[in-house]
Amino acid sequence: DTGVSQNPRHKITKRGQNVTFRCDPISEHNRLYWYRQTLGQGPEFLTYFQNEAQLEKSRLLSDRFSAERPKGSFSTLEIQRTEQGDSAMYLCASSLSGSSYNEQFFGPGTRLTVL
Amino acid sequence: AQSVTQLGSHVSVSEGALVLLRCNYSSSVPPYLFWYVQYPNQGLQLLLKYTSAATLVKGINDFEAEFKKSETSFHLTKPSAHMSDAAEYFCAVSLNNAGNMLTFGGGTRLMVKP
Repeated sequence: DTGVSQNPRHKITKRGQNVTFRCDPISEHNRLYWYRQTLGQGPEFLTYFQNEAQLEKSRLLSDRFSAERPKGSFSTLEIQRTEQGDSAMYLCASSLSGSSYNEQFFGPGTRLTVL
Repeated sequence: AQSVTQLGSHVSVSEGALVLLRCNYSSSVPPYLFWYVQYPNQGLQLLLKYTSAATLVKGINDFEAEFKKSETSFHLTKPSAHMSDAAEYFCAVSLNNAGNMLTFGGGTRLMVKP
């Protein structure tokens, strides 16, 4: 399978715990995006990387959130001291810069439930 | 800044009927426009895209959309609905800038009645 993969698919945690999600993009794609989707809403942009550089972060990304892409391949998104408001689907997408429209391919998402 | 408005959070049609999902956008520069479909507990799948070429764009599964600059619209249509079209549909806009991050509308849930 050469699509975008995300692990885990589901995560249930207690409030105050830390969680980490992983995204593996399509292998030749140098851009990687994180989005958050709450129930009944469209996805909202969180952050994106070009290669290993994190180039932009949304105001939605509080200090409790950190994302990395250490070798320009897979990425991790960590949420510290989780809150119930963090419950959402976290979507990862990848694309190839230089294409005329930067089509983004999405993974299946990680659904986070904070109890 | 750009934004997307999808009119109608829920649309119900009969099988075989025309599907029309509405999308209006605002953008300070010519945008790229996309329609994505999302089935339950899955990620987003691209249906079609407008990238400043032809204003009538054809996508997968007989969906198409027309870019109308004067109306700032990019409505999605399909001549004949199938039961398998029942899903959530999202319109999104992207600027031709360094990041090209997508801004999504709130989504429209399409229900297809037998």
